Amino acid sequence: DVKVTQSSRYLVKRTGEKVFLECVQDMDHENMFWYRQDPGLGLRLIYFSYDVKMKEKGDIPEGYSVSREKKERFSLILESASTNQTSMYLCASSLQRMGGGYTFGSGTRLTVV
Amino acid sequence: QKEVEQNSGPLSVPEGAIASLNCTYSDRGSQSFFWYRQYSGKSPELIMFIYSNGDKEDGRFTAQLNKASQYVSLLIRDSQPSDSATYLCAVIRDKIIFGKGTRLHILP
Repeated sequence: DVKVTQSSRYLVKRTGEKVFLECVQDMDHENMFWYRQDPGLGLRLIYFSYDVKMKEKGDIPEGYSVSREKKERFSLILESASTNQTSMYLCASSLQRMGGGYTFGSGTRLTVV
Repeated sequence: QKEVEQNSGPLSVPEGAIASLNCTYSDRGSQSFFWYRQYSGKSPELIMFIYSNGDKEDGRFTAQLNKASQYVSLLIRDSQPSDSATYLCAVIRDKIIFGKGTRLHILP
């Protein structure tokens, strides 16, 4: 069964900490995405990548960065966590560049205190 | 004008009835349309996609696309309590845009 695996289901971090969220896919997809999902705001795209070493800003990249050193792994980094980054973070991969046919990971619920 | 609109619900439907979920979009050049189902506390999963005008059926699910009127619908026949979830519509032209979802509640 194809999978997108996010390393943590729940995380609690302190304000100002550097936070790493890891995502690994086993489908050999080139395209990977990071979203956050908040009540009333829906899914918002943070960053995406169409190839190794490549990254593009999404709609809300401020306060985040990403790393893609290997095709199967796409990491989201919160440089200095803040309480307004408390959210559900979802990683997705897709065969097509424009996405749409996403496979999502199970999500990481991050709480910043 | 919101780019992809869905009624937030909740939409309550008796078990065994047809649930009808609607989505309108503003970009007339949109080309691909997707429906995702998201159970509470879980991540979205793709259940249907449609590219051409008309209907596309998969089991109890039917996606309907009307590009002239700029709407896409999802029909769920013989609704089951397990269909209770939030349904997200996604539309693609040069980027993917998600609606905020419609909460569906199937009444036993």
